[in-house]
Amino acid sequence: NAGVTQTPKFQVLKTGQSMTLQCAQDMNHEYMSWYRQDPGMGLRLIHYSVGAGITDQGEVPNGYNVSRSTTEDFPLRLLSAAPSQTSVYFCASSRDRGKQYFGPGTRLTVT
Amino acid sequence: EDQVTQSPEALRLQEGESSSLNCSYTVSGLRGLFWYRQDPGKGPEFLFTLYSAGEEKEKERLKATLTKKESFLHITAPKPEDSATYLCAVQARQGAQKLVFGQGTRLTINP
Repeated sequence: NAGVTQTPKFQVLKTGQSMTLQCAQDMNHEYMSWYRQDPGMGLRLIHYSVGAGITDQGEVPNGYNVSRSTTEDFPLRLLSAAPSQTSVYFCASSRDRGKQYFGPGTRLTVT
Repeated sequence: EDQVTQSPEALRLQEGESSSLNCSYTVSGLRGLFWYRQDPGKGPEFLFTLYSAGEEKEKERLKATLTKKESFLHITAPKPEDSATYLCAVQARQGAQKLVFGQGTRLTINP
């Protein structure tokens, strides 16, 4: 199993550009989440999904969209990038809402 | 509001010098408390889940304990490879999948 994979590993955007961070898992997990990690802030939940076709907002959802058309994939879309969205983004999945498996992260810089 | 506070922010030990990391939490009905290890540039890696006060779990040189207000991660005779950031997170019973993370403790073990 590859586990949770994320692409790209690094990305630089200009303010106002849009992009999609990709996340995929091959463990047939129902639950998937997106977090951002900033220095001194810990991991904060952006959006999560409890199954295909079902998504909900986390703690810091503004400026981000998600969709879940398949069990395997959970992309995160930045609609109009802002410098405040400079961060490291982690995708995670879990089988039973408990133990989460994290991907390697995407380091995003918005200039 | 669910909250997690970890202390200290950073800890530097000599190889073999045992110590403990603290995770204080407030949550409206605890479903689970999670410990993760995070190496630089990587995603968090699951260590333990604790569900009720008095519970303890061990893995190699690490032991996690839980009370009604806090959890401790005890590190016995640490080695340089134990150097990492240790993250604590709580999950409330009512939350769909919302882990609330502390800011982490950065542990450095000097040889």
